[in-house]
Amino acid sequence: NAGVTQTPKFQVLKTGQSMTLQCAQDMNHNSMYWYRQDPGMGLRLIYYSASEGTTDKGEVPNGYNVSRLNKREFSLRLESAAPSQTSVYFCAGEFGTGAVYGYTFGSGTRLTVV
Amino acid sequence: QQQVKQSPQSLIVQKGGISIINCAYENTAFDYFPWYQQFPGKGPALLIAIRPDVSEKKEGRFTISFNKSAKQFSLHIMDSQPGDSATYFCAASKETSGSRLTFGEGTQLTVNP
Repeated sequence: NAGVTQTPKFQVLKTGQSMTLQCAQDMNHNSMYWYRQDPGMGLRLIYYSASEGTTDKGEVPNGYNVSRLNKREFSLRLESAAPSQTSVYFCAGEFGTGAVYGYTFGSGTRLTVV
Repeated sequence: QQQVKQSPQSLIVQKGGISIINCAYENTAFDYFPWYQQFPGKGPALLIAIRPDVSEKKEGRFTISFNKSAKQFSLHIMDSQPGDSATYFCAASKETSGSRLTFGEGTQLTVNP
C-alpha cells in the first residue's frame, strides 16, 4: 500500500521544454489535487479533480494542464516550462468523509527550470 | 489574495517549551480548520483538525484553539520535542469532503535540545 506516489522526484528543465509530472494513488480517493509549494507562500492549488474525467482550475493554473483519465492517476503537464515554475509540486488524494477528512500527499517533485 | 494568513514564519523553541503558531482567515464560510505537519523531503501530513462548533481540540501534546468571532485559530505544542521540528501549515475549507483546502504560508519550527 504505497498511498500517493509521485514521479519523478527531481527534474531539471530548460526554459521552453515540456514535461508531465505523474501521480498515482492506490487508496481509492475520489478527489485529487495538485499543489505547488514555494518558500513563504505555502501550498497553492494548481488544479483539482473531484472525480474521474473531471478537472477544475485552482488558484494558480496558468501554464499548467492536467489529466484524470482514471481514478488512480492524475497527471500535471507543463507545456512550455518557465523559470517561475521552479517549485516543489505535490499531488494529494482526499480521504475521509463528514466530520474528519484530509489529504494524503505524495513525497513531491522538485522541479528546477533554468 | 491570501485567505489564510499564518505567523510566525519561523519559530525557535527550547525542548520542553510551548510552541504557538497563529492563523487568521477572512472567509466566514470556512468551517473546517486542519493543521498539517511536514518533515524535510516529505509531503505534509494531517496533524489535527477542528470545526467552529468547538473552541478547543486536544490530541496528545497538540491543541487547537479556535476563536470564531476573531476569525483566528492557533496550534499549541506542549512540551515541545526536537522531533517536532518541522514545517507546520494551517488550512481552511468551506465544505466537508470534496472541498479545496486553502493553506497558510507555513511556519518552520525548530526545537533545540
